[in-house]
Amino acid sequence: GQNIDQPTEMTATEGAIVQINCTYQTSGFNGLFWYQQHAGEAPTFLSYNVLDGLEEKGRFSSFLSRSKGYSYLLLKELQMKDSASYLCAVRDPQRGGSYIPTFGRGTSLIVHP
Amino acid sequence: GAVVSQHPSRVICKSGTSVKIECRSLDFQATTMFWYRQFPKQSLMLMATSNEGSKATYEQGVEKDKFLINHASLTLSTLTVTSAHPEDSSFYICSATGGSGYTFGSGTRLTVV
Repeated sequence: GQNIDQPTEMTATEGAIVQINCTYQTSGFNGLFWYQQHAGEAPTFLSYNVLDGLEEKGRFSSFLSRSKGYSYLLLKELQMKDSASYLCAVRDPQRGGSYIPTFGRGTSLIVHP
Repeated sequence: GAVVSQHPSRVICKSGTSVKIECRSLDFQATTMFWYRQFPKQSLMLMATSNEGSKATYEQGVEKDKFLINHASLTLSTLTVTSAHPEDSSFYICSATGGSGYTFGSGTRLTVV
């Protein structure tokens, strides 16, 4: 089966750095995604990791350790608009033939002034 | 980038009626489309996977006779909620493999009264 864990909620201050963790247990693994979702809107793509290591993209970075079943999303120089839910999703090739992603419950990030 | 257009964005219907939700892939062909349902503060729950020209694959617990999925062309997939009940009120989102990872439609907020 698939199991993806993320903290339910986090708070941080504008301008600070925050790290959102995600641990997963899946039958197979073919990539991990991070999405940002504002309330009432569809998720938007942030990052994709399939190999171990850190991927940096502007203020956002994502890290993956396949041996530990662990990833984190790092957000730097936080802005108020970063207040949103952050979804971790793992793609499992053993779950059907369409590489269906399984989503975590999401971490609600609240950025304070 | 890849865009998935989803309509309607909001719909209110009476209990017992049917509602059709459309998702169109713009500028790319979506061989596979995923349909999700999301309750407030919950994760995206996969309902079904639709493949162009074939029957959809439904997740366990999802009634295929209630949630009719049609994927008649490479750019259009539809989800029809038949005989809707108040408990079907939710946020429905489609996604397709295109662009970076999975591209989501803008979502449909369904309210059954």
